[in-house]
Amino acid sequence: DAGITQSPRHKVTETGTPVTLRCHQTENHRYMYWYRQDPGHGLRLIHYSYGVKDTDKGEVSDGYSVSRSKTEDFLLTLESATSSQTSVYFCAISGREAGGQETQYFGPGTRLLVL
Amino acid sequence: GEDVEQSLFLSVREGDSSVINCTYTDSSSTYLYWYKQEPGAGLQLLTYIFSNMDMKQDQRLTVLLNKKDKHLSLRIADTQTGDSAIYFCAEISNFGNEKLTFGTGTRLTIIP
Repeated sequence: DAGITQSPRHKVTETGTPVTLRCHQTENHRYMYWYRQDPGHGLRLIHYSYGVKDTDKGEVSDGYSVSRSKTEDFLLTLESATSSQTSVYFCAISGREAGGQETQYFGPGTRLLVL
Repeated sequence: GEDVEQSLFLSVREGDSSVINCTYTDSSSTYLYWYKQEPGAGLQLLTYIFSNMDMKQDQRLTVLLNKKDKHLSLRIADTQTGDSAIYFCAEISNFGNEKLTFGTGTRLTIIP
């Protein structure tokens, strides 16, 4: 299994509070991603990073910010959590398969409930 | 934008073959993937296929790609209870930054 961990694994918070989720990798991969998973929507990309301090928006980036100050850590911040941000959040890293193709490996997920 | 569609549910008897279907819209897709998600877990890469291939087989898994119809399928032979999961297809839409577009997922239920 790819070395990806997420913390916390579960969190309950109140509307309007800031929340930071952490993704940590031990694979030294360049690309890291944050997705959210909601019923009926599959996985949707929030933000991704293609290197230290290099990030870009995905399709559902409103209300989220990210930071990557070192290769191994990618942080997702909800500046002021809303109930619509209740979801399961997955981090992923991009690695190279034996056949040469880059593909994504996923962390175990963080369940966030915003009350 | 790119779109990937799947049926939401599939039920199959244990021992039969399961066929999970996926359609996509992006004609420039280069790689297409199948991921498996078990309850409470992250996504596990099952297999992938390059867009210039028609078929790929890996043990009990067979991937078929019809590029003309933009149709992808995953066949699981001799389906077992451990195959119960949600299966996602995904495609790379912008080669270079490796952004995957996912389908909604198909929940496979095994009937004993």
